[in-house]
Amino acid sequence: GEDVEQSLFLSVREGDSSVINCTYTDSSSTYLYWYKQEPGAGLQLLTYIFSNMDMKQDQRLTVLLNKKDKHLSLRIADTQTGDSAIYFCAESRNNNAGNMLTFGGGTRLMVKP
Amino acid sequence: NAGVTQTPKFQVLKTGQSMTLQCAQDMNHNSMYWYRQDPGMGLRLIYYSASEGTTDKGEVPNGYNVSRLNKREFSLRLESAAPSQTSVYFCASSVQGGVYEQYFGPGTRLTVT
Repeated sequence: GEDVEQSLFLSVREGDSSVINCTYTDSSSTYLYWYKQEPGAGLQLLTYIFSNMDMKQDQRLTVLLNKKDKHLSLRIADTQTGDSAIYFCAESRNNNAGNMLTFGGGTRLMVKP
Repeated sequence: NAGVTQTPKFQVLKTGQSMTLQCAQDMNHNSMYWYRQDPGMGLRLIYYSASEGTTDKGEVPNGYNVSRLNKREFSLRLESAAPSQTSVYFCASSVQGGVYEQYFGPGTRLTVT
């Protein structure tokens, strides 16, 4: 079956690094995603990683994938108050009928000045 | 280019009433999706449409119907609303099936009393 799990809450100080973790169960996942949701808004894609990669860096964002342990993490360097939001990880399987995403429950990141 | 738009933004219904949530995208995307978001549960897929003229059930389709009116528009109908359908509903679209990025609308907050 499919199950994506995240911790509910993370609090950090401005300027520190944030690490948001995610575990998934479907070993056939082809892509894994991180989405950001700001208050009152829809989800916006932050970054993604293909399942045959173990790391991807994009400016302040670093994604690490441990396929053996089915563990995905998102590191945000130099966290700013504008990074306060809910972060969702999601996994996708290659399905010709559509891009079937399974989302985690979301981690609320609070950045204190 | 408005992206994905949803109407209404807010709605309150009484148990047993019906309503249709509207979604439109102007990105010429082939695939469209309806999700519901409940606290701590991430987003769950209700229905999706891989291409114009096709619709398929997602994870939680009971109590809902959909119509892919044309390539731009994908509506979600609640025939007889129940309090368990109180949620935030998001529409999304992607270029096509597979692993392409999904673009989300701003959401509709529905309360059923």
